[in-house]
Amino acid sequence: GAGVSQSPSNKVTEKGKDVELRCDPISGHTALYWYRQSLGQGLEFLIYFQGNSAPDKSGLPSDRFSAERTGGSVSTLTIQRTQQEDSAVYLCASSPNRAGANVLTFGAGSRLTVL
Amino acid sequence: DAKTTQPPSMDCAEGRAANLPCNHSTISGNEYVYWYRQIHSQGPQYIIHGLKNNETNEMASLIITEDRKSSTLILPHATLRDTAVYYCIGRGTGAQKLVFGQGTRLTINP
Repeated sequence: GAGVSQSPSNKVTEKGKDVELRCDPISGHTALYWYRQSLGQGLEFLIYFQGNSAPDKSGLPSDRFSAERTGGSVSTLTIQRTQQEDSAVYLCASSPNRAGANVLTFGAGSRLTVL
Repeated sequence: DAKTTQPPSMDCAEGRAANLPCNHSTISGNEYVYWYRQIHSQGPQYIIHGLKNNETNEMASLIITEDRKSSTLILPHATLRDTAVYYCIGRGTGAQKLVFGQGTRLTINP
């Protein structure tokens, strides 16, 4: 597609439920990033995928969070046993991996509310 | 990525030039300077990047000092819609993990 697509745009769930957030990167972009932004806070890095390399999971806040990227394209961020503090906007971005400068393109985000 | 330092907030009058500074004294020779901004409730948006030379596009100009230890993003005629958090990032070639700092919260006043 023309841009990074994220779904759902809004998700309301009950504490303890599992949620899945989806990201469709720009076609041909080999790098994919997930970030989280709580209300009034900055962008918190979660995880980074680059091609077939092992993902950089250093930003995942707990083992309830996981992400996968199938076929080097679509990515799913899964949050198990959601807690109220997981409420945030989850942003996905993708970029090419060329020599030189590589610009990230962000999606509009998925707003998660845990009741 | 190079460590960058930005003022936490700035104000600018509508119609004037907004000059946002960024210090990146530890930047290495192959690291680019990127600027992104995030308007409230939206995903971050790319503005401009540069390596050594000054750059200009339809959104902004980027002035990089000769020693590359600092740069300034210039919005030549700021409008109310330019109110946002602006992030300066130093980053090497190719795709890498990217961590955003706190940025500068720019407020354009009428």
